[in-house]
Amino acid sequence: DAMVIQNPRYQVTQFGKPVTLSCSQTLNHNVMYWYQQKSSQAPKLLFHYYDKDFNNEADTPDNFQSRRPNTSFCFLDIRSPGLGDAAMYLCATSRDTLQGARGQPQHFGDGTRLSIL
Amino acid sequence: SQQGEEDPQALSIQEGENATMNCSYKTSINNLQWYRQNSGRGLVHLILIRSNEREKHSGRLRVTLDTSKKSSSLLITASRAADTASYFCATDETGRRALTFGSGTRLQVQP
Repeated sequence: DAMVIQNPRYQVTQFGKPVTLSCSQTLNHNVMYWYQQKSSQAPKLLFHYYDKDFNNEADTPDNFQSRRPNTSFCFLDIRSPGLGDAAMYLCATSRDTLQGARGQPQHFGDGTRLSIL
Repeated sequence: SQQGEEDPQALSIQEGENATMNCSYKTSINNLQWYRQNSGRGLVHLILIRSNEREKHSGRLRVTLDTSKKSSSLLITASRAADTASYFCATDETGRRALTFGSGTRLQVQP
């Protein structure tokens, strides 16, 4: 089945130690998103790629970066994780249309839960 | 920025009862989507309603949209224990590609 896969499901890192989360998709969708979700809160968009075009949300900290080497893969890099970065990180994809990504559902992976020691 | 506010924040019902969740938003939208999230999992798309639609059905789900009041509701009929999850509305705002998610409703269905 076509899907969005996030690895690992659980990641533990030390305060200040760089960490990379990965996402792959077999849907061949051209838009990929990274969200941060803290306990009992709404997912918060960090950034998204429209093909190779990177779009950063205005309030996404500089500590968070992303790479998309090809259509199928996208990475979230946290350069110096702080305690406040402990959260679930969700990757999602959607298929853009002539009208933009409007009207297209997003397909989510099961997330990576990041803990900071 | 958080667009949607959902009400109630938490809802507990018995199996077989109906569950209604409400979502309010602030700006013009192209469409509104509802998602479900089981504990510790990703979000799953349930239903999409466009700004020119007033009501939509999918199985046991019924969604309404009132653009004049900037509100939407999700009704789950004949609920089952397996419907226990968090439900989020998400708005597709005019002029913005990405969705903005509401605060969510945690639904507990008691068997």
